[in-house]
Amino acid sequence: KQEVTQIPAALSVPEGENLVLNCSFTDSAIYNLQWFRQDPGKGLTSLLLIQSSQREQTSGRLNASLDKSSGRSTLYIAASQPGDSATYLCAVGNGGATNKLIFGTGTLLAVQP
Amino acid sequence: ETGVTQTPRHLVMGMTNKKSLKCEQHLGHNAMYWYKQSAKKPLELMFVYNFKEQTENNSVPSRFSPECPNSSHLFLHLHTLQPEDSALYLCASSPSYGDTGELFFGEGSRLTVL
Repeated sequence: KQEVTQIPAALSVPEGENLVLNCSFTDSAIYNLQWFRQDPGKGLTSLLLIQSSQREQTSGRLNASLDKSSGRSTLYIAASQPGDSATYLCAVGNGGATNKLIFGTGTLLAVQP
Repeated sequence: ETGVTQTPRHLVMGMTNKKSLKCEQHLGHNAMYWYKQSAKKPLELMFVYNFKEQTENNSVPSRFSPECPNSSHLFLHLHTLQPEDSALYLCASSPSYGDTGELFFGEGSRLTVL
């Protein structure tokens, strides 16, 4: 059974710092991995989608990497801003006919001005 | 218009009430999903509809009843709920079920059961 873990559960950094959020999964046979952002009381916004054949994806100040063999993904945020404060969730698509997404519990990020 | 719209955003109901959550997507997708998000737990997939047909029911209690009249609309009918059903209910859509594309979420409906 696929399990997705995100550590740390919460992180506080000063503005301008570069930071890395971690996501690990137990079954390396995945189809894709998606990073989401969730603001308090709101829905999820898709940030980056990495297919299993890819090693990384970039969008602006965000870079997500995928290492299937070790069961790990990282989300790198460069030059963090207070507006980046949110919960970041990763979700693994485990393939098959349904490609059901398995979510982690998220990392709550606070960027201090 | 946003891609996936959910109404109402907030709902308070008693255990004997009947209410419905509505989701509408304007992305031309064929798959729609209901997820439940409880505090300190990962998102739980509840139901999936692909081309209006239910393709997944993740052992959800019968007090939750989904309806998908067409590929753009999804409802979640609620009756005789329990306080532990209080949660954020999220609707999502994707081009079709089983593909490897992105999932797009609505803003969620915050449900409180008294």
